[in-house]
Amino acid sequence: RKEVEQDPGPFNVPEGATVAFNCTYSNSASQSFFWYRQDCRKEPKLLMSVYSSGNEDGRFTAQLNRASQYISLLIRDSKLSDSATYLCVATRGGSNYQLIWGAGTKLIIKP
Amino acid sequence: DAEITQSPRHKITETGRQVTLACHQTWNHNNMFWYRQDLGHGLRLIHYSYGVQDTNKGEVSDGYSVSRSNTEDLPLTLESAASSQTSVYFCASSNPGAQETQYFGPGTRLLVL
Repeated sequence: RKEVEQDPGPFNVPEGATVAFNCTYSNSASQSFFWYRQDCRKEPKLLMSVYSSGNEDGRFTAQLNRASQYISLLIRDSKLSDSATYLCVATRGGSNYQLIWGAGTKLIIKP
Repeated sequence: DAEITQSPRHKITETGRQVTLACHQTWNHNNMFWYRQDLGHGLRLIHYSYGVQDTNKGEVSDGYSVSRSNTEDLPLTLESAASSQTSVYFCASSNPGAQETQYFGPGTRLLVL
């Protein structure tokens, strides 16, 4: 079992729609969680951190459920420019510097 | 502006050759990391360093080595390249602290024939 699991997709979504991804993690000792975005053949870039209380950044909302060990990302009013692969990330238990990466969920926004 | 660079961006080599991939950051970050990315896998940690003269093995360190002689650089060496090491390699850096972000270089695409 992978330590961080994501549905690889692709999710094909019309422009303007709302889309949600989930991600599960296996290490209950993980303390911090993130969503990164990766465009084709480029480096990953931080999209947002995920806090226990949930957090929102514009059209993006991230939620953490520690009891069920999953993280979600909601994108509202999706744009063509949101097309990318979204990587779910958890810190390795006992170390906030090392990250465990999911394989990513591919999102394609269609006009 | 501070940045993190990798070189070369593309490399083709032959099985058995030694290859070194460079990573240079001007963020003055203490932490540096090397990952490889392959289809169907998340980024996998090869080696990491928390400061000068500090190096540690990650989950897929066999066949790789690093050295940290200054804050800015963490070169990754493939001692004897194998076809299984064909991959995209990313270097990243971060500063210690809660919720710290890792900043990535643009990646090196390595093909081992």
